[in-house]
Amino acid sequence: DQQVKQNSPSLSVQEGRISILNCDYTNSMFDYFLWYKKYPAEGPTFLISISSIKDKNEDGRFTVFLNKSAKHLSLHIVPSQPGDSAVYFCAASDNYGQNFVFGPGTRLSVLP
Amino acid sequence: DTAVSQTPKYLVTQMGNDKSIKCEQNLGHDTMYWYKQDSKKFLKIMFSYNNKELIINETVPNRFSPKSPDKAHLNLHINSLELGDSAVYFCASSQERLLAGGEQFFGPGTRLTVL
Repeated sequence: DQQVKQNSPSLSVQEGRISILNCDYTNSMFDYFLWYKKYPAEGPTFLISISSIKDKNEDGRFTVFLNKSAKHLSLHIVPSQPGDSAVYFCAASDNYGQNFVFGPGTRLSVLP
Repeated sequence: DTAVSQTPKYLVTQMGNDKSIKCEQNLGHDTMYWYKQDSKKFLKIMFSYNNKELIINETVPNRFSPKSPDKAHLNLHINSLELGDSAVYFCASSQERLLAGGEQFFGPGTRLTVL
């Protein structure tokens, strides 16, 4: 039973365009959402997070949007760069940190 | 300087053996974790330690035992290895005691192959 879903296993985008990665969750107890990026043979690295009291958080080229009623969040990367090519994991946790779940990941390829 | 380091990077061993993976963090964080990334690439939390105390113990077989000699180290011992234990194991650390909203810093992973 996947509590965090990333339905697109892969995504290809042209350099300079916007990349939109989507994530859906089923557990209404989740209060914090995080995005991690992972290069091959390396551990995931934190990108950006958002709490359920917000609907948007921005950090440079990265913006995360949260639609709590739809249990949906998305990561926007603008403009996309070839160095952004990696696997992106969505993660969610409840307010007590007792339930922390990663999604299966989306492989982003930014084409020059 | 590597923030979270794991050794070894690769581990190939026979079924039934006992092995350990070491993890060290130099970030001064209070909490450390072990994750397993299986063949389907799902990252699942196994254990979490805060100041040498186990605070999360997901339903993993008791052949897996985390050991924390101090708050900078969290080692993973695996007894009687099975084929299904083959995976990449990631160590991580965070400043906050609980996972909620807290950024975690991951090690590079240890690829375990059980033959």
